[in-house]
Amino acid sequence: GQSLEQPSEVTAVEGAIVQINCTYQTSGFYGLSWYQQHDGGAPTFLSYNALDGLEETGRFSSFLSRSDSYGYLLLQELQMKDSASYFCAVPTSGGYNKLIFGAGTRLAVHP
Amino acid sequence: EAGVTQSPTHLIKTRGQQATLRCSPISGHTSVYWYQQALGLGLQFLLWYDEGEERNRGNFPPRFSGRQFPNYSSELNVNALELEDSALYLCASSQAGGPETQYFGPGTRLLVL
Repeated sequence: GQSLEQPSEVTAVEGAIVQINCTYQTSGFYGLSWYQQHDGGAPTFLSYNALDGLEETGRFSSFLSRSDSYGYLLLQELQMKDSASYFCAVPTSGGYNKLIFGAGTRLAVHP
Repeated sequence: EAGVTQSPTHLIKTRGQQATLRCSPISGHTSVYWYQQALGLGLQFLLWYDEGEERNRGNFPPRFSGRQFPNYSSELNVNALELEDSALYLCASSQAGGPETQYFGPGTRLLVL
């Protein structure tokens, strides 16, 4: 089967760094995506890693290790507006072109 | 560039009725995906349409169906509504063959009474 696991909740303070981990079990792995969703809002795309290593986009970075079936999202210089749910997702292909989402990690940033 | 749009934003139905939800993808995107997000939960894949054809569906009963029109907009129909169908229904679009970067619409919140 296919599944993704991520922590349900993470708490941090403004200005800190937080890492949200995601482990996956899929067939036909193509890459790992991260999405942010504020309460009541739609998910917005943050990053996609197809190759091993770290991808940096401003305060957010995403890492992938295909050999470990593991990735993480790193958020630096946390701001209150970063309080949201973060989902990792993997696309499947070969006729199954859909995203499988993790259950999401709820990040709460405190002053 | 206009994003993905969905209508209506909210929909209230009673058990046994039918609901129709609509989605317009980003211009140039040919793939449309539908997801269900129950309150406080993650996204569950419902359907994928590309070039007017249903390409794949998730683990949902046949009363969840839809179609994609020649202009690539899409419609999701839910027949014989049940209370547990109450959820946020999200539509996403992507360029052909590019599921890894899906752009989501604001969703339709369906409440079944």
